[in-house]
Amino acid sequence: DVKVTQSSRYLVKRTGEKVFLECVQDMDHENMFWYRQDPGLGLRLIYFSYDVKMKEKGDIPEGYSVSREKKERFSLILESASTNQTSMYLCASSSGTSNTGELFFGEGSRLTVL
Amino acid sequence: GENVEQHPSTLSVQEGDSAVIKCTYSDSASNYFPWYKQELGKRPQLIIDIRSNVGEKKDQRIAVTLNKTAKHFSLHITETQPEDSAVYFCAANSGAGSYQLTFGKGTKLSVIP
Repeated sequence: DVKVTQSSRYLVKRTGEKVFLECVQDMDHENMFWYRQDPGLGLRLIYFSYDVKMKEKGDIPEGYSVSREKKERFSLILESASTNQTSMYLCASSSGTSNTGELFFGEGSRLTVL
Repeated sequence: GENVEQHPSTLSVQEGDSAVIKCTYSDSASNYFPWYKQELGKRPQLIIDIRSNVGEKKDQRIAVTLNKTAKHFSLHITETQPEDSAVYFCAANSGAGSYQLTFGKGTKLSVIP
């Protein structure tokens, strides 16, 4: 079974703090994604990566950055957390060189910014 | 970019009845349409998908239909059971060369025993 592991299930941070969300997958997938999930808004893509050190902006990249130094690990960084970034963050991975492959999601990281 | 609209946002059905969730998309180049199910407190998981060269696909009690001309696709669940209660998301890919998958806002399905 594909396993996508997000390091923190629940985080509470203060406004202005730097936040790191880590994601690791164990299936040698080329593609990794960070989504944000908010009630009534569905899943919105923040950033994705199709190769090591490669990254592409999704639909809502403002206030976020990412890092992919190794194939299995994709990090989401909030340089200066704000209250409107309180949300559930979902990491996902997929194989292949197109956008027609199954996404395997992690359990999610629920971030609260006070 | 791609825009995916999903209806209804909530749906309640009696156990044993059918449920239908509908989605529309905007990008005529889209050719892959998956459906994900997210049970309460759990991760989204793929339940069925359809590609643009197929009009309908079935897997036991679930089926998906695609109308490329009208740019809409639907999820059909027959003989609903309480374990079908979840949030369902439709999605569509962007055109060739893009890695993006755009999701609808989700439908919360409640199956009443």
